[in-house]
Amino acid sequence: AQKVTQAQTEISVVEKEDVTLDCVYETRDTTYYLFWYKQPPSGELVFLIRRNSFDEQNEISGRYSWNFQKSTSSFNFTITASQVVDSAVYFCALSFLYTGNQFYFGTGTSLTVIP
Amino acid sequence: DGGITQSPKYLFRKEGQNVTLSCEQNLNHDAMYWYRQDPGQGLRLIYYSQIVNDFQKGDIAEGYSVSREKKESFPLTVTSAQKNPTAFYLCASSPGTGGVAGRTGKYNEQFFGPGTRLTVL
Repeated sequence: AQKVTQAQTEISVVEKEDVTLDCVYETRDTTYYLFWYKQPPSGELVFLIRRNSFDEQNEISGRYSWNFQKSTSSFNFTITASQVVDSAVYFCALSFLYTGNQFYFGTGTSLTVIP
Repeated sequence: DGGITQSPKYLFRKEGQNVTLSCEQNLNHDAMYWYRQDPGQGLRLIYYSQIVNDFQKGDIAEGYSVSREKKESFPLTVTSAQKNPTAFYLCASSPGTGGVAGRTGKYNEQFFGPGTRLTVL
């Protein structure tokens, strides 16, 4: 079975604090893709990152960084020096090409950054 | 600008009525998707289409119908058979999944529209 778990339902941090959003996935397939999306209050999902299962290199993009560990089936997302504009719901997703690129979404983590 | 448009942004429906949500993309993407989002839940797949004139049911297709007569359009009809249609509906598209780019995942990122919030009165 394919499944994505985001155990943190809601997180609140004070501006400039670092915060890590957890994502744990389940699959028996060896080829898969992981994604993070941001959903601001406007509702539209914004793509943040894609990671292939055969590429475990971590990635940093400005204040954002992602830690992919196949050994623990995790794909965690860290925001450094959080800002109020980071307040949103963040979704982790899993996909496979053979299922028509169907995405399996976690339930999301609502992040509130307090000024 | 290229992108995905959904209309209307807000939609109100009386019980027993069918309503159609529009989704249009000018990204020349082959695949399109419809998701439903309820408060506190992730996105659940309703229908998807990988090519014109073909579509498949997702996890929660009951009470919904779609068509894919044109590459750029993938309308969703919420029928009276859908018992609890009040939700936020998101349409997405992706370039495709074939070839070398498909294996690297380059072409399977999904791009989302702004969504339609449907309320049953």
